[in-house]
Amino acid sequence: QSVLTQPPSVSGGPGQRVTISCTGSSSNIGAGYDVHWYQQLPGTAPKLLIYNNINRPSGVPDRFSGSKSGTSASLAITGLQAEDEAAYYCQSFDSSLSGALFGGGTKVTVL
Amino acid sequence: QVQLVQSGAEVKWPGSSVKVSCKSSGGTFSPYAINWVRQAPGQGLEWMGGIIPIFRTADYSQKFQGRVTITADESTRTAYMELSGLTSEDTAVYYCARAGYSNYEARIDYWGQGTLVTVSS
Repeated sequence: QSVLTQPPSVSGGPGQRVTISCTGSSSNIGAGYDVHWYQQLPGTAPKLLIYNNINRPSGVPDRFSGSKSGTSASLAITGLQAEDEAAYYCQSFDSSLSGALFGGGTKVTVL
Repeated sequence: QVQLVQSGAEVKWPGSSVKVSCKSSGGTFSPYAINWVRQAPGQGLEWMGGIIPIFRTADYSQKFQGRVTITADESTRTAYMELSGLTSEDTAVYYCARAGYSNYEARIDYWGQGTLVTVSS
């Protein structure tokens, strides 16, 4: 079981909005450490989607947005498209573990 | 443009060790944290540890402490991850991944292509 908790799966129809939560604790997200989000398509390496809670790297569509509050963070995808079907992972740092950590991952399905 | 190229797939006996390399090209090498992340079949991402070459010290996840050794050679811009005492549960794709700063809190900007390690008798 991951220290950062994500729902195993979320789904939505084309054009809809879905959100993925990433719930941590006072030693990671709640301690002020940034949250980063990655998208992983089948058979490929993860790709940075959101960094430092809310920022999008160049080339990432503005349909993807991030937020953070307290001990949790969220990734929202608006205007869901078939190409968004992938696994999504949050990442942060934990002071008790003295290392980086990932959420368990969320599979997004476009209905 | 930064590229991380990893060594090829490995098949190992239980109880043996594996050493995976990760060669960096483009950009600068030493100031940035190199993370090692693994992914078992059908599972999520798991941080194993990392190294910041300019500091020449490695840090490890408690889960792998004592079983993993991460090193870096600045002259060849190559990082290495060696895992010992392999069991079938170590069958996974192993990624090297370069952070945007010299710490493990930072986002990961670049990933290697992954190295499949299969542990089987």
